[in-house]
This record gives sequence, C-alpha cells and structure tokens, in this order.
Amino acid sequence: KQEVTQIPAALSVPEGENLVLNCSFTDSAIYNLQWFRQDPGKGLTSLLLIQSSQREQTSGRLNASLDKSSGRSTLYIAASQPGDSATYLCAVMYSGGGADGLTFGKGTHLIIQP
Amino acid sequence: DAGITQSPRYKITETGRQVTLMCHQTWSHSYMFWYRQDLGHGLRLIYYSAAADITDKGEVPDGYVVSRSKTENFPLTLESATRSQTSVYFCASDRGGYGYTFGSGTRLTVV
Repeated sequence: KQEVTQIPAALSVPEGENLVLNCSFTDSAIYNLQWFRQDPGKGLTSLLLIQSSQREQTSGRLNASLDKSSGRSTLYIAASQPGDSATYLCAVMYSGGGADGLTFGKGTHLIIQP
Repeated sequence: DAGITQSPRYKITETGRQVTLMCHQTWSHSYMFWYRQDLGHGLRLIYYSAAADITDKGEVPDGYVVSRSKTENFPLTLESATRSQTSVYFCASDRGGYGYTFGSGTRLTVV
C-alpha cells in the first residue's frame, strides 16, 4: 500500500522564522504532488502543485520541492506569520491517475507564535 | 471561487437513518471524489467517479452509496447511518493539470 508520511506532526515557531515541512512517499512512480492548507473547521485550500517532471514550484513566500528518486518533498515557508498557522497536508497522485485519487499524509499542525 | 459546493454544512442524524450529502461542481470536471477525514486516519477515499454514470469504490466504501446522473452532481448516501460514520466529509474534483479542488465539507454526527 502506498503511504505518505509527514514530519513533524506538529511544529511551533516564533513569527519571522523560515521553516521547512517534510513529506515522504513510498512509491516514486508519482504523477504529481500537491500541498494543501487546512484551517480549523474548514476545507482544504490548494497551495502548490508539482508535476512529476518538475523540481519545484513557488508561490509568494512558499516554495515546494520534489525529489522523486528519494521519495521526498519539502514545503519551505519564508518569514512566517501568525496567519500561516494551520495544518499543512501533502497529497500524492500516483500514476494510476484519477482512479486512485490522492493519497494524503496526516499533516503537520503548524503554530506561528506572535 | 465557488467551485465545489457541499450541503448541508452540518448534519446530525440518528443511527439507522438514511442520509444524503450533496456535492455540486460549477465546472464540468470528469473526476469527482468523496473523502472522509477522521482524527488519526487523515483523509481516506470513499468513492470516486470518472464521469456521469461511472463510479467505483475507494479505500473505505462500506456503508456508502453514490450516484452520478449528471456530471456536475455527485451525492453520497449513507444507507443506514452508524456512529462510526461520524466524520467530516469532503467532496473534490480533479482539475486536470491544476490539481484537485475541495469543497468546504459536511460535518456529520450520528447519534
């Protein structure tokens, strides 16, 4: 069974710090990888999508990288702000495409201290 | 953008009752999905649909039924609700090369 693991499960840092969230997956035959943000009681908001042929994607203060050979992705958040506090989810689409849906990690709960 | 609309937002039902959760997309995406989210388990796929009238089971389909008579609608029915089906349910669609988009979820409590 394909698995996606996110480390750490929880993280608390002071405002202004740069931080890295990690995601690892067991099967390197991925189609793409997507990072989401989830605020308490809310739905999932897509942050970044990395296709299997790409190495990284950037959006504002967020940068996501992908290393298929090692089965890893990282989400880098620069100059963190209290508004970044949320749960961050990593999800992988495997080469089975739509029929397999997304396989999710259990998330990293991030708290940015003012 | 509205994209995926789920209703109701919250639902309390009794054990044994049938309940239907609604999902509507404003686009015409082929693939649609139902996930449930539970503490300790994360998000798990219940059912998916590749197109109108084409549906198939995901990881945790037992106790659920889906239909898709129109491309834009993908309702999820709990035929006889059990307490173990208390969860948050998310509907999603695949935007092709732009990834998945999710609805705001339905929080279901079975008492």
